[in-house]
This record gives sequence, structure tokens and C-alpha cells, in this order.
Amino acid sequence: SAVISQKPSRDICQRGTSLTIQCQVDSQVTMMFWYRQQPGQSLTLIATANQGSEATYESGFVIDKFPISRPNLTFSTLTVSNMSPEDSSIYLCSVVSRGQTYEQYFGPGTRLTVT
Amino acid sequence: DAKTTQPTSMDCAEGRAANLPCNHSTISGNEYVYWYRQIHSQGPQYIIHGLKNNETNEMASLIITEDRKSSTLILPHATLRDTAVYYCIVRVLYAGGTSYGKLTFGQGTILTVHP
Repeated sequence: SAVISQKPSRDICQRGTSLTIQCQVDSQVTMMFWYRQQPGQSLTLIATANQGSEATYESGFVIDKFPISRPNLTFSTLTVSNMSPEDSSIYLCSVVSRGQTYEQYFGPGTRLTVT
Repeated sequence: DAKTTQPTSMDCAEGRAANLPCNHSTISGNEYVYWYRQIHSQGPQYIIHGLKNNETNEMASLIITEDRKSSTLILPHATLRDTAVYYCIVRVLYAGGTSYGKLTFGQGTILTVHP
């Protein structure tokens, strides 16, 4: 299975600032996704990160708030912009590997607290 | 994607089999049944998936009823490390062209394995 790392693993940020989360995979992947898990809740898909083009956002999520980049087949970033306490969540990167179409893997997550 | 219904919580004694049920009565013919688990403070971990046949791997067995309206995940010899939230998800693999089917998480079942 793909090995996924995320940076930072956790952060505490002030409201109004922005944080960029990095997702690095040890092998080329076909699909990359970003999820959010609010405290005590299940996971919610934010967007699909598309290589070389704009991300595809789910209902309720917009590019101005969560800009995403995916410059190549192994790396993506998610920025949480103009943060408020409601953005306090765990943000998770998820991938589908080449040759393992049926299985989708998740990174360890980035725990964000906004004060 | 079709919705699933799982019990909110279950208990299991260490060393015994854990049988986690899932109802997916509106599942479509091209939708797979997936199981993931999330151990506290970690990203979700893929367990197993199936279409209509029973499946087994090193982690678990998946039993899907003949009408595909329900399934059961079986952990044959539960250990304390199996304590986690278990998610049953139904999804298509491809949602038109190259668009990958989404993993939509419900609330899952909290499985507690006790000594």
C-alpha cells in the first residue's frame, strides 16, 4: 500500500491566518483527495485534487476557502484560508494507487486548532 | 451512493469473533461494499471490500447476503488493538468516465474489545 505523510501533524493557529498542509506519497497515485473530520464527527470529502488542473470541490466547500494544488503525481497541498475556530478539525489526505484501483488509503491527518 | 445503517456501538470479548452488521437495502448492482476502521487519532484504515461474493483477507472476512441488502464484517479473533470505529460504505468504483466513485463515511460502529 502507499505510504502517505502529512505535514504538519498538528498546529495551533490564530483566527484570520492561513495554514498550508502538505501531503506526500511514496509512489505515484492516480487519485488524491482531501477530507475533513470535525471533532466527534465522521469524515467529509472536501475535494478531489486534480493534477495540472483545478480541484473538484464538494458541495459546501469553495476554492477561496480551501485552495488545493497538485503539481505532480505524488504531492498535494491544501490551504485553509482566513481561519476561524469552526475550521478546527483533522484534515486528511487520501490516495488511490496505480495498480490498486479498488483500495483507497488515508494519511495520518493534520490536527488543526484555531484559537 | 447508497446509504448504510450500522449499530452505534458494540462490545466484544478479547479472543472472540466480532461480527459487525451493516444494512444497505438500496444498494445498486454496480456498488461495492467497503469496510474501513479508524483507530483513535489515526487515519482510516482499509479492511476489505466485496461486490457479491464473500471475501476473506488477513484482517477479516466479509459476508454479503445473496440479495446484497446487508453484510457482516467478521474479525475472527478480536484483540484490544481492534478497538476502533468501523465504517461500512457502499460505492461505485467509477462514476462516469474516469471519475472515481466517492467514499462517503457515515457515523460507523464503535467497537470496544474488552479483556
